[in-house]
Amino acid sequence: AQSVSQHNHHVILSEAASLELGCNYSYGGTVNLFWYVQYPGQHLQLLLKYFSGDPLVKGIKGFEAEFIKSKFSFNLRKPSVQWSDTAEYFCAVNAMDTGRRALTFGSGTRLQVQP
Amino acid sequence: DAGVTQSPTHLIKTRGQQVTLRCSPKSGHDTVSWYQQALGQGPQFIFQYYEEEERQRGNFPDRFSGHQFPNYSSELNVNALLLGDSALYLCASSLRGTSGSTDTQYFGPGTRLTVL
Repeated sequence: AQSVSQHNHHVILSEAASLELGCNYSYGGTVNLFWYVQYPGQHLQLLLKYFSGDPLVKGIKGFEAEFIKSKFSFNLRKPSVQWSDTAEYFCAVNAMDTGRRALTFGSGTRLQVQP
Repeated sequence: DAGVTQSPTHLIKTRGQQVTLRCSPKSGHDTVSWYQQALGQGPQFIFQYYEEEERQRGNFPDRFSGHQFPNYSSELNVNALLLGDSALYLCASSLRGTSGSTDTQYFGPGTRLTVL
């Protein structure tokens, strides 16, 4: 069964700092990859997704992620964070060739941006 | 365009009781998935419903069951509640593609279940 690792559990940054959140998955086949964000008091929202094609994916609010197949990674980046980016970020994987449509999530990274 | 809605928002039950949670999918979606999110953890897949049938199931006991109605809405039922069932229960809806290659799941706000 596939698994997803998010090694940074809690990240604290100052406004305007650059962000990179790690995500690694353990599955050798074809995958769909997602980043979801959960702002305080709000529900999980889709930030960006990768299905195929260009491994550099751009999402909402200036976020982007790069799929590196050889490293089984899908790291999330933002050049300059804002206080409003304070939230919990979840990486999720769908193993396509298993026929399963369920998402496997990482344990999440809590990002705190200080003004 | 309404997103995914869930009811109730919060629920408190005691051990041994039964609970039913409800979900209405996003307009145009035909597939509903349920997830359990324990405090400090990522969501864990419970099961998925499509065409009123359970299509896939995660590693959850038979105490967890569900149903999908002709209008695509869904219910999650949990019997014989345990303290460990306390969690946020999330519903996600999607439009089922032929291969799953374009399935994107959109989440509701969740139901916070507390078992005392």
